[in-house]
Amino acid sequence: NAGVTQTPKFQVLKTGQSMTLQCAQDMNHEYMSWYRQDPGMGLRLIHYSVGAGITDQGEVPNGYNVSRSTTEDFPLRLLSAAPSQTSVYFCASSLQADRPQHFGDGTRLSIL
Amino acid sequence: GENVEQHPSTLSVQEGDSAVIKCTYSDSASNYFPWYKQELGKRPQLIIDIRSNVGEKKDQRIAVTLNKTAKHFSLHITETQPEDSAVYFCAASIGTGGFKTIFGAGTRLFVKA
Repeated sequence: NAGVTQTPKFQVLKTGQSMTLQCAQDMNHEYMSWYRQDPGMGLRLIHYSVGAGITDQGEVPNGYNVSRSTTEDFPLRLLSAAPSQTSVYFCASSLQADRPQHFGDGTRLSIL
Repeated sequence: GENVEQHPSTLSVQEGDSAVIKCTYSDSASNYFPWYKQELGKRPQLIIDIRSNVGEKKDQRIAVTLNKTAKHFSLHITETQPEDSAVYFCAASIGTGGFKTIFGAGTRLFVKA
């Protein structure tokens, strides 16, 4: 099993550009989530999904969209990138919300 | 909504000493409390977890305690080693209703040889 795969690993965008961060898992996990990690602020929940077709907002959802058309994939879309969205983004999956989460390797995103 | 506070933000100990990291949560519906370790440039990885129906859990040099009444849980690392140096995150999950996992801000642990 590959676990949780995130692409790309690094990306530089200009302000106003749009982009999709990809996340895929092959463990048949129902629960998937996106976090951003900024220095001194830990992992903040952006959006999460409890299954295909179901998504909900986390702590910091503004500026981001998600969809969950399949169990395996949970892409994160930045509609109009802003410098404040410069961060490291982690995708994670688990059997349920109250089970251990498996993280991807992260995407380091810089917005100029 | 759920809020998780974690202390201290930085902890420095001598090799062989014990380290304790404390967290408090706000939502009494939380029922699952995992701890993750993140080495520099790597992904967070689970090291131990505890559920709300258990007061204490131990795995070799690592233990976690939970006080539901006080909404407080702690990570204890004994006989620390240099390879324990990392950032540690606590988290609280709601298994029903909210389905959210909220993380603390992290503790950077330095173990001096």
